[in-house]
Parts: sequence; C-alpha cells; structure tokens
Amino acid sequence: ILNVEQSPQSLHVQEGDSTNFTCSFPSSNFYALHWYRWETAKSPEALFVMTLNGDEKKKGRISATLNTKEGYSYLYIKGSQPEDSATYLCAFPTGNQFYFGTGTSLTVIP
Amino acid sequence: SQTIHQWPATLVQPVGSPLSLECTVEGTSNPNLYWYRQAAGRGLQLLFYSVGIGQISSEVPQNLSASRPQDRQFILSSKKLLLSDSGFYLCASRGPSTDTQYFGPGTRLTVL
Repeated sequence: ILNVEQSPQSLHVQEGDSTNFTCSFPSSNFYALHWYRWETAKSPEALFVMTLNGDEKKKGRISATLNTKEGYSYLYIKGSQPEDSATYLCAFPTGNQFYFGTGTSLTVIP
Repeated sequence: SQTIHQWPATLVQPVGSPLSLECTVEGTSNPNLYWYRQAAGRGLQLLFYSVGIGQISSEVPQNLSASRPQDRQFILSSKKLLLSDSGFYLCASRGPSTDTQYFGPGTRLTVL
C-alpha cells in the first residue's frame, strides 16, 4: 500500500481569499497524479491529471503544479468562493490501482 | 464520457444481514472497475478492482467480496454485515482510453 498524504486535513477561508493545499506521494515510479473535487452529496469529479515534472494546469480559478522529483503537488484556488467548498482529493495511480489521499476539506465562509 | 450507476443510494441494515450493492457502467467497454469505501472521518480506501469479467483483486482483507458477472457490472457483497462495514461506498470506472476515473453517486450504508 502506497502512502499518499494531503495537508491540511481541513481549511476554513473567507470568501475572496486565495488558498492552497498539498499532496505528497512516492517520487519513485511516477506515472501520474490526479486531483479530484468532491462536493457533499455528489460524486468525486476529476479536476486535473498531472504527468510531467514542472506541469502547471489551470481550470478557471483553480490551478495545480507538480514536482515529481520531490513527490508533491500543490492545488491553488484564487479568490475562493462559497461554491468552492468541497473536499479535494489527490490520487496516485500505479498499475491498475489508485491510491487516494485522505483529502483536504475546504470551507469557504461567505 | 462514462456514466456510472449505483444503487441503492442509502441502505440501513442490521448486523449479520447480507449485502448486495450493484454498479453498472455506460459509455465505455472493457473498463477497469473499482469499489471504494469512505469510513467516517477517513479518506477513500480501495476495496476491490477488476480488469475484466470474473477478475477480482482485493486490496485489503475484509468481510466483503466482489464479483464482475458482466463487462460493465460490478457487485459488492457480504454474507454477514458487521458494524464496521458502515460507510459510504463508491464505484468507479476507468475506460481503456483514459487515465481518469469516473465515479458513481455512491451508497450510504449504515449497519445497526
């Protein structure tokens, strides 16, 4: 079983604040790193698939970076809005399996 | 894209009763299929995955079993539920031409 860790476990920010959180994963045998967004009462939804060291991907106000050599990825949210409240999961695929972190629960306070 | 159906949405079962959760997939063929569980206050734990009909891999020893009787059908079962089986169960699919997993709506299981 691989160790995929996310921090912080939970985060409360004011509307309009920018925030970021971390996913750390094994740096050996890297293939890809996935980010998912999981809103309450909904299914996890894919945000990004990161594959190359130094990758930066962006979707609206959300962006992610990747460092495969040191084994971490950052997810950034610029100008947080209440609708950004969700749990953000990263997942490390290996072979046919996906290892998920425990997630960062983000609450944006209006 | 793929659509994952799961049922039931919620389930309350007594300890010792059997369980059957079903997952079906549309929009792809020969997917890899996965069962995950999220216990209270914890992340997603991979329970089983399947790369084809009749092929099941178990990630952790437990009170549950899985079966894949058809290409796009994945079933999670138990003969006798334990209190510790309570949690939120998610089915996911990854098609052969994509790295992304698509998740079903989940089943909230409460064992009393």
